Amino acid sequence: AQSVTQLGSHVSVSEGALVLLRCNYSSSVPPYLFWYVQYPNQGLQLLLKYTSAATLVKGINGFEAEFKKSETSFHLTKPSAHMSDAAEYFCAVSYGGSQGNLIFGKGTKLSVKP
Amino acid sequence: EAEVAQSPRYKITEKSQAVAFWCDPISGHATLYWYRQILGQGPELLVQFQDESVVDDSQLPKDRFSAERLKGVDSTLKIQPAELGDSAMYLCASSLEPSPGNTIYFGEGSWLTVV
Repeated sequence: AQSVTQLGSHVSVSEGALVLLRCNYSSSVPPYLFWYVQYPNQGLQLLLKYTSAATLVKGINGFEAEFKKSETSFHLTKPSAHMSDAAEYFCAVSYGGSQGNLIFGKGTKLSVKP
Repeated sequence: EAEVAQSPRYKITEKSQAVAFWCDPISGHATLYWYRQILGQGPELLVQFQDESVVDDSQLPKDRFSAERLKGVDSTLKIQPAELGDSAMYLCASSLEPSPGNTIYFGEGSWLTVV
């Protein structure tokens, strides 16, 4: 069965520091991988997605993620955190042969300290 | 930019009452999803429509939940009777078609509190 594991339910960084949010997937078929961001009391906004093209994917707000098949990982990074990055981040997977439904991880809450 | 519209944003209802949520997807999007997000967790699919047809409702508690998309455009999700455990955010989402790489766009969500 396909699944997503996000390591760390809460990550705290200082403003200007590197952001690294971890995501590992389990899939028996080639996956499509997504990162979404959710601000308090709001819906989900797509940050970036991997759909079997380039393994390094650049998204909005300076975020990027690298697909590593050998590690079954799709970690999200940003070189320099900003206060406005404080939010909850969800990794999600869909897979070939499905109806496109997303399977989400449990989320990682990012806090940014001044 | 086109958005997925949902209403109401917030709903408080008493246990055993009926409640309904409405969703209007992005124009032209054939696929519509209802997800439930319990506080502190990721969204989980309740039901997926392709046009007016249900393509996946395997996780929908059919004894109390129902969903429809009569004309293949907007959709309603109903809960009757509501239970305390139904307190959650109900997210509607849409995509152009049910293809695994397609972007799914989410609405702002409808918060339900059952008391």
